[in-house]
Amino acid sequence: EDQVTQSPEALRLQEGESSSLNCSYTVSGLRGLFWYRQDPGKGPEFLFTLYSAGEEKEKERLKATLTKKESFLHITAPKPEDSATYLCAVRQGYGQNFVFGPGTRLSVLP
Amino acid sequence: DAGVTQSPTHLIKTRGQHVTLRCSPISGHKSVSWYQQVLGQGPQFIFQYYEKEERGRGNFPDRFSARQFPNYSSELNVNALLLGDSALYLCASSLVFGTGANEQFFGPGTRLTVL
Repeated sequence: EDQVTQSPEALRLQEGESSSLNCSYTVSGLRGLFWYRQDPGKGPEFLFTLYSAGEEKEKERLKATLTKKESFLHITAPKPEDSATYLCAVRQGYGQNFVFGPGTRLSVLP
Repeated sequence: DAGVTQSPTHLIKTRGQHVTLRCSPISGHKSVSWYQQVLGQGPQFIFQYYEKEERGRGNFPDRFSARQFPNYSSELNVNALLLGDSALYLCASSLVFGTGANEQFFGPGTRLTVL
């Protein structure tokens, strides 16, 4: 059974303090790993798609990387507006059935 | 361009009632998926529709049903509501089904509270 776990469950950073979020997955034939940002009470906002080990994507202060078993979301010099829950998901099969992890709640303090 | 839209924003129902949630995908997107998100957890897949046909179903009881219309909008229906159905219901659209662009774009969700 495909599974996604994320760590830590919650992370508190000072503004400017860089860190990484982890997403570990087990899936029979990865067809995409996806990162989303979700603000309280809102729908997830798409950030990145990664398809193969070694692939990297960047957007502003965020950088996502992928290995055969894990993905990392690196946050460089975060700002308070980066506070949110970060979700990762893997695509199951050729449909749009995404299996999501529980998320990491990030708080960036000024 | 408008993103995925959902209605209503919030809904309060009592146990045993029926509810219909609506979703309009991004213009040009033909695939719509529904997810349930309980507080503190990641979204859980309920259904996927593409070209008006069901293409995937998650582990949800038969009280949950959905359909997609010719304009690619979709409805999610839940019968005989239970307290445990209280959640944020998310609709996501994507361009295609199968290989190709896989990104799903989510709407703001409908917050359902069952009393």
